[in-house]
Amino acid sequence: DAGITQSPRHKVTETGTPVTLRCHQTENHRYMYWYRQDPGHGLRLIHYSYGVKDTDKGEVSDGYSVSRSKTEDFLLTLESATSSQTSVYFCAISVAGSETGELFFGEGSRLTVL
Amino acid sequence: SQQGEEDPQALSIQEGENATMNCSYKTSINNLQWYRQNSGRGLVHLILIRSNEREKHSGRLRVTLDTSKKSSSLLITASRAADTASYFCATHASGGSYIPTFGRGTSLIVHP
Repeated sequence: DAGITQSPRHKVTETGTPVTLRCHQTENHRYMYWYRQDPGHGLRLIHYSYGVKDTDKGEVSDGYSVSRSKTEDFLLTLESATSSQTSVYFCAISVAGSETGELFFGEGSRLTVL
Repeated sequence: SQQGEEDPQALSIQEGENATMNCSYKTSINNLQWYRQNSGRGLVHLILIRSNEREKHSGRLRVTLDTSKKSSSLLITASRAADTASYFCATHASGGSYIPTFGRGTSLIVHP
């Protein structure tokens, strides 16, 4: 257990509303990731962070922003949610200093945009 | 785009049989990892194989890596109903990147 919690676990919202998903870790690992999982696409990287205030875009970053003001929290924001952003969102961390980059995942946040 | 691609997309077997799933990738890697995902849950790391390794075992799991063919296979021996899950490969590209890239996964169903 890498001490990762995601909130909320489930959310239903309407098109055009802002949504923020939170990922919290208890072990001060440097690398954190946000993925989305959709049928037929597997997991796709949205954004990642390699330290406080250090973030970068992944494969499917359009429509998403992130922030990391503290080591333990990595926030994913949908400024104006669209139906195409209905998905399951997973946060993951990588153990700092490990050459392997083994990932530990949270339990996911299921977002439905109506 | 996905770096790794699993094959088959779905696999259905009887308890006690072996399950083999494959992963192909496109670029040079430092290591390749396999993950498991139970329905509705997060992914769990199973096993890692480095680019200079050809085979690795962990319990009932056997992973092979062929860097010349850019492919890996995961074998689960003597499968159990509890092995029912989706399995994903993830690659770490050469160059020290900490950004793992996942395939679309293989859905395994083991019938009791």
